[in-house]
Amino acid sequence: SYELTQPPSVSVSPGQTASITCSGDRLWNKYVSWHQQRPGQPPVLVIYQDYKRPSGIPERFSGSNSGNTATLTISETQTFDEADYYCQAWDSSMVFGGGTKLAVL
Amino acid sequence: EVQLVESGGDLVHPGGSLRLSCAASGFAFRDFEMNWVRQAPGKGLEWISFISSGGSTIYYADSVRGRFTVSRDNARNSLFLQMNSLRAGDTAVYYCASGYSSKWIDYWGQGTLVTVSS
Repeated sequence: SYELTQPPSVSVSPGQTASITCSGDRLWNKYVSWHQQRPGQPPVLVIYQDYKRPSGIPERFSGSNSGNTATLTISETQTFDEADYYCQAWDSSMVFGGGTKLAVL
Repeated sequence: EVQLVESGGDLVHPGGSLRLSCAASGFAFRDFEMNWVRQAPGKGLEWISFISSGGSTIYYADSVRGRFTVSRDNARNSLFLQMNSLRAGDTAVYYCASGYSSKWIDYWGQGTLVTVSS
């Protein structure tokens, strides 16, 4: 079965840029989306089709997908951005990465 | 405003059954693909089932295939998950999630907790 691999945690200082990666075989060939989940809350879509932002998601959130790695980039990171982030793709079924806990320290 | 409201979560004994429901509003439910995704306590997201907008295409994760059945009623804007032969490992928050495309999820419900324990 298809697998997506994310780092368990990423740390960033307030105001800096955070990058969260998601790796999978031939990932460039699939649409990647990213979901943000704050503690005790359901997930929220922040990026779809590799780089598109849903209405209401700040421009600070951006995405890319090349080769075997997709990246979620959060610029001017705020403490409000602390959350778990999950990448997701479709390969005969829906697949989620293991999630990355973003700490804004 | 898009709303997905799950219900039916409960405490059930191993081997028991449960039926989850998801009431959709604020969008054209009949045009959207639907998924069930679960999250065990302290763990990540696990996709478990997909049903196409018309209900003709259905997929399951290996972990639930043969035990869970997904269905939908487009006239009632509702999604269902029938869960049989429940195990302790099925304990999780179950989310109903919609997507205009099968490739990603646009909206998530608040989730309903299923606890399987003796």
